[in-house]
Amino acid sequence: DVQMTQSPSFLSASVGDRVTITCRASQTVETYLNWYQVKPGKAPRLLIYAASSLQSGVPSRFSGSGSGTYFTLTINSLQPEDFATYYCQQGFASPRTFGQGTKVDI
Amino acid sequence: QVQLQESGPGVVRSSGTLSLTCTVSGGSIGGYYWNWVRQPPGKPLEWLGFIYKTGSTNYNPSLKGRVTMSLDTSKNQFSLTMRSVTGVDTALYYCTREVGDDGFDIWGQGTMVTVSS
Repeated sequence: DVQMTQSPSFLSASVGDRVTITCRASQTVETYLNWYQVKPGKAPRLLIYAASSLQSGVPSRFSGSGSGTYFTLTINSLQPEDFATYYCQQGFASPRTFGQGTKVDI
Repeated sequence: QVQLQESGPGVVRSSGTLSLTCTVSGGSIGGYYWNWVRQPPGKPLEWLGFIYKTGSTNYNPSLKGRVTMSLDTSKNQFSLTMRSVTGVDTALYYCTREVGDDGFDIWGQGTMVTVSS
């Protein structure tokens, strides 16, 4: 299985901050890398697909980059509704695998 | 707009069988990969597998053959059956749609399943 490792696991930030979350794959996943936002009691939300493509309806303050084994998710000017847990997920190989998550908290 | 809704019992006895259904509304079940993902309390998301409109399936090998997925196109539903459940199967179960290799774009709200001893 492709192991996905996110860092940090926990991130304390303030409204207006720029935050970056990294995701490393144990082997290349090319650009088959997706990012999700998960909040308690809500359906997970796809933010970024194919490493850098913004999903329809997602604010432009979210951006993704990377290829191969190293990826980043950046949130510019953090908003109150952005406090959540973020997961990366590879779509290159089966089984699909997720990172362990990064909780962004105040 | 397409919406997904999971349904099924919230409690399953240990060693029993977990059965969940996902109803697709606002669109056709054809042309996509229909997946199940779960999240045990305090743990990350885990992909369980998918079923395609043709009925072809792909399951996570970690489930050791305990899982079967099926499709009912007449009802616009797909289902998950997991046998021989134990406490480690206690989780929030989501159904979700995968668009090719571009991620899981639509998710249900999730349904909590607790395995009781």
